[in-house]
Amino acid sequence: AQSVTQLDSHVSVSEGTPVLLRCNYSSSYSPSLFWYVQHPNKGLQLLLKYTSAATLVKGINGFEAEFKKSETSFHLTKPSAHMSDAAEYFCVVIGILTGGGNKLTFGTGTQLKVEL
Amino acid sequence: DAGVTQSPTHLIKTRGQHVTLRCSPISGHKSVSWYQQVLGQGPQFIFQYYEKEERGRGNFPDRFSARQFPNYSSELNVNALLLGDSALYLCASRSDTSYNEQFFGPGTRLTVL
Repeated sequence: AQSVTQLDSHVSVSEGTPVLLRCNYSSSYSPSLFWYVQHPNKGLQLLLKYTSAATLVKGINGFEAEFKKSETSFHLTKPSAHMSDAAEYFCVVIGILTGGGNKLTFGTGTQLKVEL
Repeated sequence: DAGVTQSPTHLIKTRGQHVTLRCSPISGHKSVSWYQQVLGQGPQFIFQYYEKEERGRGNFPDRFSARQFPNYSSELNVNALLLGDSALYLCASRSDTSYNEQFFGPGTRLTVL
């Protein structure tokens, strides 16, 4: 079964400093991985996705993630945090259903706090 | 274009009651999935439907059921509500051409008293 582990439940950074949100994955085959963001009282928004093409994936709002097979990691980074980045971030792996569909398996989330 | 829509936005029920949540996918999307997000946790997969057929079910009791209609909209039903069913219920749709990408609605916040 596919799973992801988010290594930090809370991360706090100062505005303008780099962001690093860590995620390790477990998969019996080459995984498809995603990062989603959830702002308070809003739905989930896809930040970026890795589907076995380039290992460095660029997403929206300046975020990017690097797929490292040797480390089974898919960490999310941003060079300079903005106040609007404060939100809950989820690392997600996709799994195949026996009925032919697919499902998303979410990590436990990392709450990002951005301080002035 | 309209995104995934869900109704109602908020709902309060008491234990033992039944609830129906509704979802309309993005136009052209034939697949709908349901997820439960308990406060402080990541969403958990409940069901996926494709062209009215159930494609998969997560680890949820039989009190949870769903169906998909010919226009691809979907309902999630929960019977005999428990306090632990209080959560944000999220619906997601995907297209046939972007198989791996799911688009989420804003969710229905269910409170069971």
